[in-house]
Amino acid sequence: GAVVSQHPSRVICKSGTSVKIECRSLDFQATTMFWYRQFPKKSLMLMATSNEGSKATYEQGVEKDKFLINHASLTLSTLTVTSAHPEDSSFYICSARGEREFARETQYFGPGTRLLVL
Amino acid sequence: GEDVEQSLFLSVREGDSSVINCTYTDSSSTYLYWYKQEPGAGLQLLTYIFSNMDMKQDQRLTVLLNKKDKHLSLRIADTQTGDSAIYFCAERVINTGGFKTIFGAGTRLFVKA
Repeated sequence: GAVVSQHPSRVICKSGTSVKIECRSLDFQATTMFWYRQFPKKSLMLMATSNEGSKATYEQGVEKDKFLINHASLTLSTLTVTSAHPEDSSFYICSARGEREFARETQYFGPGTRLLVL
Repeated sequence: GEDVEQSLFLSVREGDSSVINCTYTDSSSTYLYWYKQEPGAGLQLLTYIFSNMDMKQDQRLTVLLNKKDKHLSLRIADTQTGDSAIYFCAERVINTGGFKTIFGAGTRLFVKA
């Protein structure tokens, strides 16, 4: 099956720094990528949807200046947490789909990136 | 307000059917989703249903939607030990502020051999 990778898998940073998380589709062209956030007690939030070559569509309540999403190619999307603070500590998960996945009503998920802000 | 509620745990015997229930409060839903998360295996979008549909079946999975009662269920036929996971339901709503997907807290399904 299709594979989606995320890098890094785990990152620890100091408060006030920015952190970039990469999401790559390894064997298919991802026309659409999604970014999710999972909180410590397991609850999930969809943060944004990005289509290749266009601006991300953020979900209501998500700060677009805080969470910068770039989907510059059909295999790579990045999420940058700007000026990170301890409350941004979370598990960030990306998913991706191409045209075939859209037709099959499915998407492929990355393994997630755990961010800890000290 | 916006809220999606699920029971926290469900335990079934292997081979039985599992029914995971979900209720939601916002009537402006467009889609409703079921996700599965297994330890060590990541998140998976199992299925979704348009809000104007009543039922959707996909192999062992049946989704039922009762819009009047704002109730969504996921039935897993012939439950296997590999179905043990956390199942999240989610409602995608649209309002003047834009789109928002509201997730339940997840139901942990235990399958006993």
